[in-house]
Amino acid sequence: KAGVTQTPRYLIKTRGQQVTLSCSPISGHRSVSWYQQTPGQGLQFLFEYFSETQRNKGNFPGRFSGRQFSNSRSEMNVSTLELGDSALYLCASSFRLRDAEAFFGQGTRLTVV
Amino acid sequence: GENVEQHPSTLSVQEGDSAVIKCTYSDSASNYFPWYKQELGKRPQLIIDIRSNVGEKKDQRIAVTLNKTAKHFSLHITETQPEDSAVYFCAASMNSGNTPLVFGKGTRLSVIA
Repeated sequence: KAGVTQTPRYLIKTRGQQVTLSCSPISGHRSVSWYQQTPGQGLQFLFEYFSETQRNKGNFPGRFSGRQFSNSRSEMNVSTLELGDSALYLCASSFRLRDAEAFFGQGTRLTVV
Repeated sequence: GENVEQHPSTLSVQEGDSAVIKCTYSDSASNYFPWYKQELGKRPQLIIDIRSNVGEKKDQRIAVTLNKTAKHFSLHITETQPEDSAVYFCAASMNSGNTPLVFGKGTRLSVIA
């Protein structure tokens, strides 16, 4: 069974640009969540999707947005990139919403210069 | 929203000793408490979880305890080994309502041989 796949693995962008990250969950999983990981801040919650509906959003500015498609694949978009957006972005999928094991992808390492 | 505090941020133990990591949560409605281990350069992976209807759960050298009244839960690792060295994250969520899976900031455990 294929794991959670995130693309691309690495990205370098300049300030002011926008970026789209993709996450393909494990087959059969309908829940996808996104996290930003930075040193010292751990895993900060960005979004939570279940069956194409955003169920929750973390405390991030409106420049961060996301969506989930009918095949459960999810994308997140960050517009007007800032240096502070440099981080590892992880997505996790699970069979049920919240109280089941979350399987993480390997992440997308975003560097804003 | 839910807030999870995790202590200590770093922990060093001698091989064979025990390690304890503690977390507190703010939302009394949270009912699912997983622990994830992230080795250097790898994705977080679930090592154990506990639900609010259980006070303690064990899996070989790993145990988790939950005190709902005090809103805290702890991870106990006995007979630590060098391969236990990693960052450990606690998390809390509620499978209904409005509480996504929220993580603590992590504990970097170093097991010294």
